[in-house]
Amino acid sequence: DADVTQTPRNRITKTGKRIMLECSQTKGHDRMYWYRQDPGLGLRLIYYSFDVKDINKGEISDGYSVSRQAQAKFSLSLESAIPNQTALYFCATSRVETGELFFGEGSRLTVL
Amino acid sequence: GESVGLHLPTLSVQEGDNSIINCAYSNSASDYFIWYKQESGKGPQFIIDIRSNMDKRQGQRVTVLLNKTVKHLSLQIAATQPGDSAVYFCAERGGGSNYKLTFGKGTLLTVNP
Repeated sequence: DADVTQTPRNRITKTGKRIMLECSQTKGHDRMYWYRQDPGLGLRLIYYSFDVKDINKGEISDGYSVSRQAQAKFSLSLESAIPNQTALYFCATSRVETGELFFGEGSRLTVL
Repeated sequence: GESVGLHLPTLSVQEGDNSIINCAYSNSASDYFIWYKQESGKGPQFIIDIRSNMDKRQGQRVTVLLNKTVKHLSLQIAATQPGDSAVYFCAERGGGSNYKLTFGKGTLLTVNP
């Protein structure tokens, strides 16, 4: 079983719809992250959480919100999806000591 | 207007050759660097890391070199195999307490049999 699990893996939706991407981890890490990947732009940080009570905006948080329901769960929401939010989204976790990220398999979102 | 797609830098090598993938980083205060490999349809996977107090680190078939003077990082893959075909990202961690990683745009490595 994967250590970092994302659901759904693929989603097609329409402009204006609310979408939630979920992430759960079995690594026991305190830190969790949501990244967005676009062709030619690499990985960009949307939100990160260093523990259940700590939520921080990344470099591209506009149009997104997150919820850290438990140490093992971190969800990303798009309240009103728009086409330029079409991308591949990755959840990741890290240990405090090293900062090395462990990624999920990704959630591909298409907004029509 | 018409949009122009952004293309990844690419490196094409023959199976068995050595590969060198380069990365320039921007923050002179960065204290930790990682190379990730991303295969098609998968999430990035850790390959090797290096701290800023080192200039070279070796793993299995991979070596990372760090030149802090010119803020340059390279990944060397020895005896490249078809399974090495992937996009490779470097990432830097800024000095300080937040431990956030900033990623480069990636290089596509294609290994020809």
